[in-house]
Amino acid sequence: EAAVTQSPRNKVTVTGGNVTLSCRQTNSHNYMYWYRQDTGHGLRLIHYSYGAGNLQIGDVPDGYKATRTTQEDFFLLLELASPSQTSLYFCASSGQGANTGQLYFGEGSKLTVL
Amino acid sequence: GEQVEQRPPHLSVREGDSAIIICTYTDSATAYFSWYKQEAGAGLQLLMSVLSNVDRKEEQGLTVLLNKKDKRLSLNLTAAHPGDSAVYFCAVSNMGYKLTFGTGTSLLVDP
Repeated sequence: EAAVTQSPRNKVTVTGGNVTLSCRQTNSHNYMYWYRQDTGHGLRLIHYSYGAGNLQIGDVPDGYKATRTTQEDFFLLLELASPSQTSLYFCASSGQGANTGQLYFGEGSKLTVL
Repeated sequence: GEQVEQRPPHLSVREGDSAIIICTYTDSATAYFSWYKQEAGAGLQLLMSVLSNVDRKEEQGLTVLLNKKDKRLSLNLTAAHPGDSAVYFCAVSNMGYKLTFGTGTSLLVDP
């Protein structure tokens, strides 16, 4: 079973604050993804990457940056957090890309922006 | 881009009854279809996936039906039990590198 670990699990910040969400996977997967989950919207893709140093834009990228420093580590950065970014964030990884449908998810990071 | 609608948003059934969740999608090039389960406080876990050349797949009390003509995907839990209570998501791909998820169905199975 693929292991995907997210930190922090819970974060509270204020409007304009700086937040970094971290994700590490330990199964040598090439693809990593950041999603946000909101009621009524399901999961929406923010950014994804298919290797160290690579970054691809997802469907809802505004207000987010991401960086893939190694094959294992993928970070999501909110440099000027806004209340609209209050959400549950999931990191996922995949060995062959989403065209196989087999994503392995972390347990989520709940972010609250006051 | 791909649009996926999922219904119902909430579903309550008695233990032993069947529960059916339906997704419709818009992109005729969609070729990969999957269902995920999310238990409380956890991430999503893959339940089952099918390619577009499969119309029906059954595994361990779950049945996935794919109607490509109507662009409809369904998940049938044939004899639900309380452990099936969770949020279920469909997810589709046109063989690119990302999945598009449905909006989720919260299933409650009463004992």
